[in-house]
Parts: sequence; C-alpha cells; structure tokens
Amino acid sequence: AQSVTQLDSHVSVSEGTPVLLRCNYSSSYSPSLFWYVQHPNKGLQLLLKYTSAATLVKGINGFEAEFKKSETSFHLTKPSAHMSDAAEYFCVLAGGADGLTFGKGTHLIIQP
Amino acid sequence: DAGVIQSPRHEVTEMGQEVTLRCKPISGHNSLFWYRQTMMRGLELLIYFNNNVPIDDSGMPEDRFSAKMPNASFSTLKIQPSEPRDSAVYFCASSRTASGYNEQFFGPGTRLTVL
Repeated sequence: AQSVTQLDSHVSVSEGTPVLLRCNYSSSYSPSLFWYVQHPNKGLQLLLKYTSAATLVKGINGFEAEFKKSETSFHLTKPSAHMSDAAEYFCVLAGGADGLTFGKGTHLIIQP
Repeated sequence: DAGVIQSPRHEVTEMGQEVTLRCKPISGHNSLFWYRQTMMRGLELLIYFNNNVPIDDSGMPEDRFSAKMPNASFSTLKIQPSEPRDSAVYFCASSRTASGYNEQFFGPGTRLTVL
C-alpha cells in the first residue's frame, strides 16, 4: 500500500518570507506526485506535478517542489509568500492500482 | 473548456429527504471521481468511473449512497434518505484516464447541509 504524510497540519509565515510545506511518501511503485491547492470554498487546483522527469518541478504562482528519492520526500517551497497564498495544500501520490492517495493537508497562514 | 461543472453549489435539506448531486466532467476525459470532504475525515474517494462504468465503489459509505454515469458527460451522486452526518462538501473530478498517474481536475464542489 502507498501512503502520504504531510508533516505539518498548519504552517504560519510572514508575508515576503519563504514557504516550506513538507511531504513524505511511501510507495512500492515509481511514484508520480502532485501538489494541489484549495482556497476557501473552492475546489482543488493543481499546483505542480512530478512524473519521473526533472526532479525539480516548477508550478504556478512561483511554487516549486523537489523530488528526493533517497529521502522519499516531495517538499513544496516558495521564496516569498503572498497573502493570496493562504490556503490548504495537499500532497498527492499516484501510482499502481491504488489511484490517488491524498495527504491530510497543510493549512498555510500568511501573517501580514 | 469550462472545467468540471457541479450543481447545485449549495444544498440544504432535511433529514430523510433525497439529495441528488450532479457533475459534468471535462469533455474528452474518460474517468470521473466522486469525493467527500469533511473536517473530521478529510478528503475521501467515494467512487470512480472509467468509460462510464463504475470501477471501485468501496468508498461509498452505505447503501443510502448511489452513483450513476449514464453517459460520458454526466454523472449523479444520490443520497436517499439523507442524514445529518452526510453534511459535507462533495467534489467531482475528472481525468483523461483512470491511471493513477494522471492528474485530476476538480469541480468547485457542492456543499451539502442536512438538517
């Protein structure tokens, strides 16, 4: 079975400072990994995806993530947080017959 | 493309009533997924279809829940009878194939409140 662990349920940063949202995974297959963002009262939107090409993946809105197989991690980063980044972020693992496996989400709070 | 379309966006009903949620996937996508999101349980996959055929309904909570996909452009999720614990946001998503490697595109959700 595969699993995803988002290490922080809440992350709070000040506007203009870096963002780091952590995600670790476990999979018997070569995984594909995604980060989705959910703004309040909205559906989930794909931020970026890793599918065994470049290990550093750039997404929308200045976010990027690095796939590290040795650490089984796929952490999401952004150099400078904006107020509009406040949302729920989901790390998602895809592979094999299990379909998508969602992490429990990290709530990102941006302090002015 | 308009994206995944769900209706209604909000539904308030009384316990015991039948509720029908609707979804129109993105044209050309062969797979459709129904999810339920609550604070307590997070995002749960209820059922998914591939080429209009239900593939895995193991996430459907009980017999009160049923889902259909009569054609490639329409699906319904029905709850009969509804109960207060069914209150949640229900999302529909579609993808090009059911392969776990394909990203899913989510609709805006239906917020269901059962009184």
